Amino acid sequence: KAGVTQTPRYLIKTRGQQVTLSCSPISGHRSVSWYQQTPGQGLQFLFEYFSETQRNKGNFPGRFSGRQFSNSRSEMNVSTLELGDSALYLCASSRTGISTDTQYFGPGTRLTVL
Amino acid sequence: AQTVTQSQPEMSVQEAETVTLSCTYDTSENNYYLFWYKQPPSRQMILVIRQEAYKQQNATENRFSVNFQKAAKSFSLKISDSQLGDTAMYFCAFLPQGGSEKLVFGKGTKLTVNP
Repeated sequence: KAGVTQTPRYLIKTRGQQVTLSCSPISGHRSVSWYQQTPGQGLQFLFEYFSETQRNKGNFPGRFSGRQFSNSRSEMNVSTLELGDSALYLCASSRTGISTDTQYFGPGTRLTVL
Repeated sequence: AQTVTQSQPEMSVQEAETVTLSCTYDTSENNYYLFWYKQPPSRQMILVIRQEAYKQQNATENRFSVNFQKAAKSFSLKISDSQLGDTAMYFCAFLPQGGSEKLVFGKGTKLTVNP
């Protein structure tokens, strides 16, 4: 069974630009969560989608948004990039998104904002 | 709000020895789940072990076991017979029961296994 895939693996952008990251969950998984990982703040929850609906959202500004498609693939978008948005963005999938399910993580997208 | 604290930013251990990583958490919830995740230098986060708070028995997965002390809100990870491949960042994480996948992570412990 293929694991969680994320594209692209690396991105370099400049301040003010916008970026879209993609996550394909494990086949059969309908929940996708996104996390931001930085050396200073560690791993922080961004949002979770299930069946194309955002069910939970972390404490991030509105510049961070996401969506989920009918095939459970998810994208997150960051608009008006700031230097502080440089981070590793991880997505994780699970079957139903309830706490009894294990979350499986992708390899991440490394975003660098110059 | 829940918080997870890992008080050891870095640790090292000799190959074949045993090491224990500490984790404490703060919550008012009674039912929840605790996890240890491993993130090797390749960056893929891998689940090591999980513990349901309602289970008194400590979880075990091969060389990995936990010491779960609910009253003390402590959840340590013991790695026995350490191997070079265990070198990684280890994250302790908390998830309330019924919470839709909002894992709360500790800052992590960087473990180095020396030959």
